Amino acid sequence: QLQLQESGPGLVKPSETLSLTCTVSGGSISSSSYYWGWIRQPPGKGLEWIGSIYYSGSTYYNPSLKSRVTISVDTSKNQFSLKLSSVTAADTAVYYCARLSITIFGVVITPFDYWGQGTLVTVSS
Amino acid sequence: EIVMTQSPATLSVSPGERATLSCRASQSVSSNLAWYQQKPGQAPRLLIYGASTRATGIPARFSGSGSGTEFTLTISSLQSEDFAVYYCQQYNNWPLVTFGQGTKLEIK
Repeated sequence: QLQLQESGPGLVKPSETLSLTCTVSGGSISSSSYYWGWIRQPPGKGLEWIGSIYYSGSTYYNPSLKSRVTISVDTSKNQFSLKLSSVTAADTAVYYCARLSITIFGVVITPFDYWGQGTLVTVSS
Repeated sequence: EIVMTQSPATLSVSPGERATLSCRASQSVSSNLAWYQQKPGQAPRLLIYGASTRATGIPARFSGSGSGTEFTLTISSLQSEDFAVYYCQQYNNWPLVTFGQGTKLEIK
Protein backbone atom coordinates (compact mmCIF):
# COMPACT_ATOMS: atom_id res chain seq x y z
CA GLN A 1 0.00 0.00 0.00
CA LEU A 2 1.44 3.35 -1.00
CA GLN A 3 2.10 5.72 1.87
CA LEU A 4 3.29 9.30 1.94
CA GLN A 5 4.68 10.98 5.04
CA GLU A 6 5.53 14.64 5.48
CA SER A 7 8.30 15.69 7.85
CA GLY A 8 9.96 18.92 8.88
CA PRO A 9 9.90 21.71 11.45
CA GLY A 10 6.53 22.67 12.83
CA LEU A 11 7.61 26.22 13.62
CA VAL A 12 9.36 28.64 11.29
CA LYS A 13 10.29 32.26 11.95
CA PRO A 14 9.04 35.04 9.68
CA SER A 15 11.34 35.81 6.72
CA GLU A 16 13.00 32.39 7.01
CA THR A 17 12.65 29.37 4.73
CA LEU A 18 10.14 26.59 5.32
CA SER A 19 11.52 23.16 4.44
CA LEU A 20 9.52 19.95 4.28
CA THR A 21 10.19 16.47 2.96
CA CYS A 22 7.74 13.84 1.75
CA THR A 23 8.87 10.24 2.04
CA VAL A 24 7.15 7.75 -0.23
CA SER A 25 6.92 4.11 0.82
CA GLY A 26 5.24 1.12 -0.77
CA GLY A 27 6.02 2.36 -4.26
CA SER A 28 8.71 4.02 -6.33
CA ILE A 29 8.89 7.75 -6.81
CA SER A 30 10.77 7.04 -10.03
CA SER A 31 7.75 5.64 -11.85
CA SER A 32 6.99 7.39 -15.12
CA SER A 33 3.28 7.20 -14.28
CA TYR A 34 3.16 9.80 -11.51
CA TYR A 35 3.71 13.38 -10.56
CA TRP A 36 4.18 14.30 -6.92
CA GLY A 37 2.70 17.43 -5.44
CA TRP A 38 2.47 19.76 -2.48
CA ILE A 39 -0.85 21.22 -1.37
CA ARG A 40 -1.48 23.41 1.65
CA GLN A 41 -4.47 24.38 3.77
CA PRO A 42 -4.47 27.37 6.12
CA PRO A 43 -6.37 26.73 9.36
CA GLY A 44 -10.11 26.71 8.69
CA LYS A 45 -9.65 27.45 4.99
CA GLY A 46 -9.56 25.66 1.66
CA LEU A 47 -6.91 23.84 -0.34
CA GLU A 48 -4.18 25.53 -2.38
CA TRP A 49 -1.94 23.70 -4.83
CA ILE A 50 1.68 24.74 -4.36
CA GLY A 51 3.47 22.78 -7.05
CA SER A 52 4.31 19.41 -8.56
CA ILE A 53 7.41 17.49 -9.60
CA TYR A 54 8.23 14.52 -11.85
CA TYR A 55 10.90 11.98 -10.96
CA SER A 56 13.11 13.52 -13.66
CA GLY A 57 13.05 16.82 -11.77
CA SER A 58 10.59 18.62 -14.00
CA THR A 59 8.62 21.06 -11.87
CA TYR A 60 5.51 23.20 -12.05
CA TYR A 61 4.58 25.86 -9.53
CA ASN A 62 1.52 27.88 -8.59
CA PRO A 63 2.15 31.29 -10.20
CA SER A 64 1.13 33.02 -6.98
CA LEU A 65 3.96 31.30 -5.10
CA LYS A 66 6.47 30.67 -7.87
CA SER A 67 8.97 33.31 -6.80
CA ARG A 68 9.35 31.70 -3.36
CA VAL A 69 8.94 27.97 -4.03
CA THR A 70 11.43 25.26 -4.88
CA ILE A 71 10.45 21.60 -5.15
CA SER A 72 13.11 18.95 -5.61
CA VAL A 73 13.28 15.16 -5.78
CA ASP A 74 15.75 12.62 -4.42
CA THR A 75 15.03 9.32 -6.14
CA SER A 76 17.72 7.49 -4.15
CA LYS A 77 15.79 8.21 -0.95
CA ASN A 78 12.31 7.99 -2.53
CA GLN A 79 11.63 11.51 -1.31
CA PHE A 80 10.66 14.90 -2.63
CA SER A 81 10.97 18.19 -0.85
CA LEU A 82 9.48 21.65 -0.59
CA LYS A 83 11.23 24.90 0.20
CA LEU A 84 9.25 28.09 0.66
CA SER A 85 11.30 31.21 1.27
CA SER A 86 10.54 34.52 2.98
CA VAL A 87 7.61 33.10 4.91
CA THR A 88 5.03 35.21 6.70
CA ALA A 89 2.12 34.38 8.97
CA ALA A 90 0.02 33.88 5.83
CA ASP A 91 2.06 30.76 5.11
CA THR A 92 0.85 29.08 8.31
CA ALA A 93 -0.97 25.99 7.12
CA VAL A 94 -1.18 22.24 7.07
CA TYR A 95 1.08 21.08 4.26
CA TYR A 96 0.20 17.90 2.40
CA CYS A 97 2.12 15.87 -0.14
CA ALA A 98 0.18 13.83 -2.68
CA ARG A 99 0.45 11.72 -5.83
CA LEU A 100 -1.12 12.31 -9.22
CA SER A 101 -1.29 9.74 -12.04
CA ILE A 102 -0.56 10.57 -15.68
CA THR A 103 -0.36 8.80 -19.05
CA ILE A 104 2.82 8.60 -21.11
CA PHE A 105 1.53 11.65 -22.96
CA GLY A 106 1.28 13.66 -19.77
CA VAL A 107 -2.50 13.54 -19.55
CA VAL A 108 -3.90 13.26 -16.03
CA ILE A 109 -5.52 9.89 -15.32
CA THR A 110 -6.40 10.40 -11.69
CA PRO A 111 -5.71 13.58 -9.74
CA PHE A 112 -4.40 13.42 -6.21
CA ASP A 113 -5.34 9.90 -5.16
CA TYR A 114 -2.84 9.32 -2.36
CA TRP A 115 -2.12 11.91 0.31
CA GLY A 116 0.11 12.18 3.31
CA GLN A 117 -1.49 12.88 6.68
CA GLY A 118 -0.34 16.49 6.56
CA THR A 119 1.93 18.50 8.80
CA LEU A 120 1.10 21.82 10.45
CA VAL A 121 3.67 24.53 9.94
CA THR A 122 3.28 27.68 11.99
CA VAL A 123 5.09 30.86 11.06
CA SER A 124 5.76 32.85 14.20
CA SER A 125 8.62 34.54 16.00
CA GLU B 1 -6.30 30.94 -13.64
CA ILE B 2 -9.48 28.87 -13.66
CA VAL B 3 -11.62 29.82 -10.67
CA MET B 4 -13.81 27.12 -9.13
CA THR B 5 -16.89 28.25 -7.22
CA GLN B 6 -18.82 25.86 -4.99
CA SER B 7 -22.33 26.27 -3.68
CA PRO B 8 -23.75 26.35 -1.17
CA ALA B 9 -21.04 27.11 1.38
CA THR B 10 -22.95 25.02 3.94
CA LEU B 11 -25.61 22.41 3.28
CA SER B 12 -27.78 20.98 6.06
CA VAL B 13 -29.33 17.60 5.27
CA SER B 14 -30.85 14.85 7.38
CA PRO B 15 -29.37 11.34 7.40
CA GLY B 16 -30.95 9.14 4.78
CA GLU B 17 -31.78 12.07 2.52
CA ARG B 18 -30.11 13.11 -0.72
CA ALA B 19 -27.46 15.82 -0.87
CA THR B 20 -26.62 17.78 -4.00
CA LEU B 21 -23.47 19.90 -4.13
CA SER B 22 -22.57 22.21 -7.00
CA CYS B 23 -19.33 23.38 -8.53
CA ARG B 24 -18.90 25.92 -11.31
CA ALA B 25 -15.76 26.66 -13.32
CA SER B 26 -14.93 30.11 -14.66
CA GLN B 27 -14.20 28.51 -18.04
CA SER B 28 -14.70 25.08 -19.51
CA VAL B 29 -12.71 22.28 -17.87
CA SER B 30 -14.25 19.58 -20.05
CA SER B 31 -14.66 16.55 -17.77
CA ASN B 32 -11.40 17.13 -15.92
CA LEU B 33 -13.08 17.64 -12.58
CA ALA B 34 -12.54 15.83 -9.28
CA TRP B 35 -14.34 15.79 -5.95
CA TYR B 36 -12.69 15.25 -2.58
CA GLN B 37 -14.08 14.61 0.88
CA GLN B 38 -12.29 15.94 3.93
CA LYS B 39 -13.10 15.13 7.54
CA PRO B 40 -11.69 17.12 10.48
CA GLY B 41 -8.03 16.41 11.08
CA GLN B 42 -7.72 14.23 7.99
CA ALA B 43 -6.28 14.61 4.53
CA PRO B 44 -8.69 14.98 1.62
CA ARG B 45 -9.86 11.74 0.04
CA LEU B 46 -10.46 11.44 -3.69
CA LEU B 47 -14.09 10.52 -4.38
CA ILE B 48 -14.73 11.26 -8.04
CA TYR B 49 -12.52 12.03 -11.04
CA GLY B 50 -13.29 12.58 -14.69
CA ALA B 51 -16.44 14.30 -13.39
CA SER B 52 -18.26 10.99 -12.91
CA THR B 53 -15.84 8.11 -12.22
CA ARG B 54 -15.74 6.89 -8.64
CA ALA B 55 -12.30 6.37 -7.19
CA THR B 56 -11.31 2.99 -5.82
CA GLY B 57 -13.37 1.94 -2.82
CA ILE B 58 -15.88 4.80 -3.02
CA PRO B 59 -19.48 3.68 -2.32
CA ALA B 60 -22.02 3.80 -5.10
CA ARG B 61 -24.13 6.36 -3.21
CA PHE B 62 -21.59 8.96 -4.38
CA SER B 63 -22.10 10.09 -7.96
CA GLY B 64 -20.79 12.93 -10.05
CA SER B 65 -22.15 14.58 -13.15
CA GLY B 66 -21.61 17.51 -15.45
CA SER B 67 -19.13 18.78 -18.00
CA GLY B 68 -17.83 22.08 -19.23
CA THR B 69 -18.47 24.56 -16.45
CA GLU B 70 -21.25 23.03 -14.33
CA PHE B 71 -20.77 20.01 -12.09
CA THR B 72 -22.72 18.22 -9.38
CA LEU B 73 -21.84 15.77 -6.64
CA THR B 74 -24.80 13.78 -5.39
CA ILE B 75 -24.88 11.62 -2.30
CA SER B 76 -28.00 9.51 -2.65
CA SER B 77 -28.69 8.53 0.96
CA LEU B 78 -26.58 10.26 3.54
CA GLN B 79 -24.80 8.16 6.10
CA SER B 80 -23.37 9.56 9.32
CA GLU B 81 -19.84 9.23 7.97
CA ASP B 82 -20.64 11.43 4.96
CA PHE B 83 -20.88 14.65 6.94
CA ALA B 84 -17.69 16.45 6.00
CA VAL B 85 -16.33 19.19 3.75
CA TYR B 86 -16.32 18.55 0.01
CA TYR B 87 -13.98 20.19 -2.50
CA CYS B 88 -14.06 20.22 -6.26
CA GLN B 89 -10.85 20.53 -8.25
CA GLN B 90 -10.18 21.17 -11.93
CA TYR B 91 -7.19 19.61 -13.62
CA ASN B 92 -8.01 20.54 -17.20
CA ASN B 93 -5.36 23.22 -16.96
CA TRP B 94 -2.78 20.70 -15.70
CA PRO B 95 -0.22 21.26 -14.35
CA LEU B 96 -2.00 24.31 -12.97
CA VAL B 97 -4.77 22.83 -10.85
CA THR B 98 -7.24 24.78 -8.73
CA PHE B 99 -9.68 23.88 -5.97
CA GLY B 100 -13.06 25.25 -5.03
CA GLN B 101 -13.50 26.83 -1.63
CA GLY B 102 -15.46 23.88 -0.28
CA THR B 103 -18.99 22.97 0.81
CA LYS B 104 -19.56 21.90 4.39
CA LEU B 105 -22.18 19.16 4.60
CA GLU B 106 -23.70 19.17 8.06
CA ILE B 107 -26.37 17.20 9.85
CA LYS B 108 -29.79 18.81 9.89
